[in-house]
Formats: sequence, structure tokens, C-alpha cells
Amino acid sequence: TQLLEQSPQFLSIQEGENLTVYCNSSSVFSSLQWYRQEPGEGPVLLVTVVTGGEVKKLKRLTFQFGDARKDSSLHITAAQPGDTGLYLCAGVRGGGADGLTFGKGTHLIIQP
Amino acid sequence: GAVVSQHPSWVICKSGTSVKIECRSLDFQATTMFWYRQFPKQSLMLMATSNEGSKATYEQGVEKDKFLINHASLTLSTLTVTSAHPEDSSFYICSARDLVRGTAKNIQYFGAGTRLSVL
Repeated sequence: TQLLEQSPQFLSIQEGENLTVYCNSSSVFSSLQWYRQEPGEGPVLLVTVVTGGEVKKLKRLTFQFGDARKDSSLHITAAQPGDTGLYLCAGVRGGGADGLTFGKGTHLIIQP
Repeated sequence: GAVVSQHPSWVICKSGTSVKIECRSLDFQATTMFWYRQFPKQSLMLMATSNEGSKATYEQGVEKDKFLINHASLTLSTLTVTSAHPEDSSFYICSARDLVRGTAKNIQYFGAGTRLSVL
């Protein structure tokens, strides 16, 4: 069974600070996705990383895929209260037809 | 963007009754849909993969006779929780993969979820 360990599980910081969320596995994934989920709603895709070592930027969010495609990180610069939410990483198992393996998520609170 | 509609968004039922949840892709076709379950403060766990025109593939530990899946068309999959019990209370979320745009990167679009409460 492929597992994704996500850390930290909970993070509360002040507006303007930087933070990094980590997603680690002992397994190789063909690609990794990051989602954001609001309470009572389904996850919304933020980014997909496919190539080992790949870095993608989405405004103040920077996503990186590890060289071995076993881990990924999400870095937020100058966090804002609007960034508050549950962030989930999800690994795509090989073959293209499988469902996603999700990490446990990081509950992020940005205090004004 | 692609839209996946899930209905109902919230349902309360008595123990022993069956509940059907619908998942529809509104503006694209999906040969493959996925059903996930999410308990409070926990992540999403894949329950089954629903394939149009064929039997669903269930993850280990998920009872296929308990959670009936039907994917009769390219835009609709249903999950029926049969003889529901309080321990089945959870947030059920479906996703659909765009046949045209999603295959290469396995991009899935998620519904808003269905909160099931079994009394």
C-alpha cells in the first residue's frame, strides 16, 4: 500500500510569515497533486507536478516535486488570512486509471 | 472549468435504510469516476473506482455489497449505501476524470460532497 505522510498536520501562523508543508512517501508516484479543501466542500486542484525536480509557482505558492518522485513540498510566502484551509497532497498511482492516494492533510490557519 | 455535481449535499436517514448518492459530470464525459470517504478531521480515502459500462473496482476493506456503485452513462455514477448504520456516517465525495483533457495527468474534478448522517 502506498502511503503519503503529510506534515505538519496543524499549523497556525501570523499573517505575513512564510511556511512549508511537506508530503513524503517511501513509494514512487507517477505524479503528485496538491489540493485545497474548504469545510463541507470537495477538494479543489491547485497544481500537478509530474517530473522529478519540477518546481511550479502559483502566485505566492511554490510547489516542488522531489528528484526521486517520492516527496513534494508546498511553500507559501507572506501568508494571508485567505490562505486558511485544509491542504492535501495526493499521489497518482501508476497506470493512469487509479484513484488518488491522499495524505492526511495540513490544517492551516493564518491569523490577521 | 469542469463541473461535477453531487446530490444530495446532505442526507439524514434511519438505521437500516438505503441511501443513493448521485455524481454527475455536467460539461464533460467521464468514463471513470471515483468515490472517496472522508471522516471528520481525516483525509480522503478511496473507496472504489467506477467504470462506465462495467463493474466497479473496490479498494481493500470496502464491502461491495454494502456500497453499490452503478455507472450507467458517461456522465452519471451512483453510490448506494445499503442498510446504512451509524458507523457509515461520513462525508462521501466523488470525482470524475475528463475523458478528453484528464487522461494524461489523471486530473480529477471533485464534487462538493455528500454528508451522510445515519441515526
